[in-house]
Amino acid sequence: DGGITQSPKYLFRKEGQNVTLSCEQNLNHDAMYWYRQDPGQGLRLIYYSQIVNDFQKGDIAEGYSVSREKKESFPLTVTSAQKNPTAFYLCASSPIGGDRGIYGYTFGSGTRLTVV
Amino acid sequence: AQSVTQLDSHVSVSEGTPVLLRCNYSSSYSPSLFWYVQHPNKGLQLLLKYTSAATLVKGINGFEAEFKKSETSFHLTKPSAHMSDAAEYFCACNQAGTALIFGKGTTLSVSS
Repeated sequence: DGGITQSPKYLFRKEGQNVTLSCEQNLNHDAMYWYRQDPGQGLRLIYYSQIVNDFQKGDIAEGYSVSREKKESFPLTVTSAQKNPTAFYLCASSPIGGDRGIYGYTFGSGTRLTVV
Repeated sequence: AQSVTQLDSHVSVSEGTPVLLRCNYSSSYSPSLFWYVQHPNKGLQLLLKYTSAATLVKGINGFEAEFKKSETSFHLTKPSAHMSDAAEYFCACNQAGTALIFGKGTTLSVSS
């Protein structure tokens, strides 16, 4: 079955650590996205990529980094510069044209990151 | 800049009664509009989308939404609520060259 896999489901980070959240899709989608979800805040865009080896910052990119070396994969690193990283992180993908609003996005099941 | 406003953070209905979740958008151009549903600790599932075709859009699970350009609205409705409809709902807007912009969400509670 095609879909998006996010791992791990739960992740705990110590102060000052970098952590990487995995996002893999087998839908052959060109575009991939990372959103952060906080209670009452909705979803806020961190980064997105419309093609391999290219990505754009979203509204809250500070303290995060991404790479897009393969079409199927779009990992997100939460760096120590992100001062309030505790949140639910959602990865999504869409076919080409997703940026033109033609298609909805397919979402993964999310990773809940907690700072301990 | 485009934006999405969900007018109610929480809506409570009784099972079998109608559901109305309100969404207003702001966009310089004709947007594409979406409604998503999220159950606790899960990803988002697409309910329906408007992409400049028919203004009344039917989605899954009996939901529908009407695009009203004059009111810049895209409200989500369902004639009869079911217990399984209890979830969080997100309205989203997209225009060319950008990623989806989401509203802050509306929590729907359904009582028996």
